[in-house]
Amino acid sequence: SQKIEQNSEALNIQEGKTDTLTCNYTNYSPAYLEWYRQDPGRGPVFLLLIRENEKEKRKERLKVTFDTTLKQSLFHITASQPADSATYLCALDPREGFQKLVFGTGTRLLVSP
Amino acid sequence: GAVVSQHPSRVICKSGTSVKIECRSLDFQATTMFWYRQFPKQSLMLMATSNEGSKATYEQGVEKDKFLINHASLTLSTLTVTSAHPEDSSFYICSAKLPRDREYQETQYFGPGTRLLVL
Repeated sequence: SQKIEQNSEALNIQEGKTDTLTCNYTNYSPAYLEWYRQDPGRGPVFLLLIRENEKEKRKERLKVTFDTTLKQSLFHITASQPADSATYLCALDPREGFQKLVFGTGTRLLVSP
Repeated sequence: GAVVSQHPSRVICKSGTSVKIECRSLDFQATTMFWYRQFPKQSLMLMATSNEGSKATYEQGVEKDKFLINHASLTLSTLTVTSAHPEDSSFYICSAKLPRDREYQETQYFGPGTRLLVL
């Protein structure tokens, strides 16, 4: 069956540290994968998109990798800040038309001062 | 740019009534919008894809007669929950895609969501 899995447990890190969030998928061959941030009671906010022919994408303190062999994407936050506390969702293109997205369950990140 | 609004942000209704939720793209034209539902501590589940001027495409298991979608213009899509029941209580979120000639046109821009509580 098709699955998108992210760390279900919340991750607690100290301010200033780097953390890595994992997104693993099964039985999909996405042309691209996206990462979103969602705060409680709000809609997701787009962060980064990485295509199947790209290994790595960076934006400010964020870095995303995409390994189509491992069927995995890693999301790195460096120099984390309490304002980075949120749920991070990965989403992929299931190649089913309309460029719709299928979302993972998300990983809650808590950054302590 | 790429701002999406939803109205209302919260709604409480009695069982058996219908509720309409509006989704607007404020600064761009969106030929495609999506409607999602999210239960507490769960991920976004796609309900339907809404294309301007045509019928919505519903995901498997979503009742099209219960969740009516109308994409009447390039900036407005509406979701009507008909004869709502307590089990329809959820967080409903819409998203819109940029036109095909824009960079990152695969990206979805989300509204702030609508919290529906059916008593």
